[in-house]
Amino acid sequence: GDSVTQMEGPVTLSEEAFLTINCTYTATGYPSLFWYVQYPGEGLQLLLKATKADDKGSNKGFEATYRKETTSFHLEKGSVQVSDSAVYFCALIPGYSSASKIIFGSGTRLSIRP
Amino acid sequence: EAEVAQSPRYKITEKSQAVAFWCDPISGHATLYWYRQILGQGPELLVQFQDESVVDDSQLPKDRFSAERLKGVDSTLKIQPAELGDSAMYLCASSLVGGRSSGNTIYFGEGSWLTVV
Repeated sequence: GDSVTQMEGPVTLSEEAFLTINCTYTATGYPSLFWYVQYPGEGLQLLLKATKADDKGSNKGFEATYRKETTSFHLEKGSVQVSDSAVYFCALIPGYSSASKIIFGSGTRLSIRP
Repeated sequence: EAEVAQSPRYKITEKSQAVAFWCDPISGHATLYWYRQILGQGPELLVQFQDESVVDDSQLPKDRFSAERLKGVDSTLKIQPAELGDSAMYLCASSLVGGRSSGNTIYFGEGSWLTVV
């Protein structure tokens, strides 16, 4: 079945470091891909998305490129801030026409040291 | 910016009691979802509505959980009786359309934290 695999956390970095959180997926057809962020005690906020191969989603300095050949959607940021500390979820909506539910990875906790 | 509204934010209930959560999706969104998120894990779908109809409740524990969306707008998720293992965050989400379409995005509310004691 369709699934998302994320790198396990926690990931701890110093402020201004480069961030990569790996995400790979298994899906039928051509899924839409998403990154959501969850700050402590809050719900999920959409961070960025990509709907077809080679699309790059970007927001707030974060980027991720839809790589069909490697079935990946890695999240990157060039210079992290303390305010980026949160849990990040990679997710997909499957590619078959009747599908609409979103499938999440297990999340990666990111902590940024000042 | 329009948001998905949920209440209550926090609920503590005793085992075997009933508890209910309410959700008001973004105006005009036909599809509504209830997810459960256990601490340290990703959210898992409980039930999905298209307007007032259930389109997926395969993961809903129907012996104790029920969900309704009577007029195709707001929705209620009920647990009766609550069990210790039900302690989790219950997230409501909505999207403009059901079915995969380019650009379809699912928006989440702030969540309702449930603690069963």
